[in-house]
Amino acid sequence: AQSVTQLGSHVSVSEGALVLLRCNYSSSVPPYLFWYVQYPNQGLQLLLKYTSAATLVKGINGFEAEFKKSETSFHLTKPSAHMSDAAEYFCAVKAGGYNKLIFGAGTRLAVHP
Amino acid sequence: NAGVTQTPKFRVLKTGQCMTLLCAQDMNHEYMYWYRQDPGMGLRLIHYSVGEGTTAKGEVPDGYNVSRLKKQNFLLGLESAAPSQTSVYFCASRAGRSNYGYTFGSGTRLTVV
Repeated sequence: AQSVTQLGSHVSVSEGALVLLRCNYSSSVPPYLFWYVQYPNQGLQLLLKYTSAATLVKGINGFEAEFKKSETSFHLTKPSAHMSDAAEYFCAVKAGGYNKLIFGAGTRLAVHP
Repeated sequence: NAGVTQTPKFRVLKTGQCMTLLCAQDMNHEYMYWYRQDPGMGLRLIHYSVGEGTTAKGEVPDGYNVSRLKKQNFLLGLESAAPSQTSVYFCASRAGRSNYGYTFGSGTRLTVV
């Protein structure tokens, strides 16, 4: 069965610092992986997705993620954090038929001046 | 283009009461999903639908029923609300098999007292 594990429920960075949010997956088949962002009191928005094309995936708002099969990881990065990046981030994997998504527990990112 | 609209946005129920959450999408998407979001647990799939007139169980279906009588609407029902169903409920929709990105609604915050 497919699953994802997000390491660290809370991450705090300074404005301008590197953002690194960790996601490891488990999948018996080549995975399709996603990162979503949730701003306060809003639904989830797709940041980026990996669907077996390039292993380095670029998303919106300057975020990118690298698929590493040997490490079963799909970590999310951004070179320079902005105050507006403060949100909760979810890693997800496509699971089974009909493209159901299995979500990780989420990582709340705080950005301080 | 409204996307995915959920009603109501907030609701307080007493234990044992029933209610229906409505999800409406105007994108002609085939697939629709209901998730619940709880702190530290990410999003968990309750039920989903792959087309008008079809529904299927997700990870946590107990205590919920769904219906998809019209393609654009996906209803989630609580027959006898319990405090364990206090959560934020999200509806999502997706186009055909070639599109893996979900569009989420803004959520319904339900409290059962």
